[in-house]
Amino acid sequence: AQKVTQAQTEISVVEKEDVTLDCVYETRDTTYYLFWYKQPPSGELVFLIRRNSFDEQNEISGRYSWNFQKSTSSFNFTITASQVVDSAVYFCALSSHTGGFKTIFGAGTRLFVKA
Amino acid sequence: DTAVSQTPKYLVTQMGNDKSIKCEQNLGHDTMYWYKQDSKKFLKIMFSYNNKELIINETVPNRFSPKSPDKAHLNLHINSLELGDSAVYFCASSHPGNAYEQYFGPGTRLTVT
Repeated sequence: AQKVTQAQTEISVVEKEDVTLDCVYETRDTTYYLFWYKQPPSGELVFLIRRNSFDEQNEISGRYSWNFQKSTSSFNFTITASQVVDSAVYFCALSSHTGGFKTIFGAGTRLFVKA
Repeated sequence: DTAVSQTPKYLVTQMGNDKSIKCEQNLGHDTMYWYKQDSKKFLKIMFSYNNKELIINETVPNRFSPKSPDKAHLNLHINSLELGDSAVYFCASSHPGNAYEQYFGPGTRLTVT
């Protein structure tokens, strides 16, 4: 069975703090794909990043960085020097061959960044 | 030049009515999806079409019927609406296969009274 766990329901930080959102996944497939999406208060869902299972290289994009570790089945997301505009619900997601075209989403982590 | 569009954005209706939500994408993607997001923000896939062919049909009441007239459009028709159908419905599209990210529409907030 495939599963995505985002254990942190809500996180509250003060602006300029660094924050890490955790994502742990389960799959029996050796080839799979991991994603992060952002849902700001306006409600739309925005794609942030995709990572393939055979590429464990970490990625940095501005203040965002992602740490993919197959050994712990984790794909964590760090925001450096958080800003109020980072306040949103963040979803981690997984898709693999077993699931066909189906993407499994975690329950989401709601991030509050206070000024 | 909206990539994935949905209409209407808000839908308020009474129990027992029938309603439709329309979705269009101009990204040239072959695969389209319908998701339901409940009040706790949990996202669950309902249906997926690849080039007009139904490929995912989750455990959804048969009151929900998707229709894809062409690969750029995926509509959702709901019969005999119930209170529990109140949610935000998102349309999404992607390249075919499970390796690709999905691009979402703005969502349709359905309220059944």
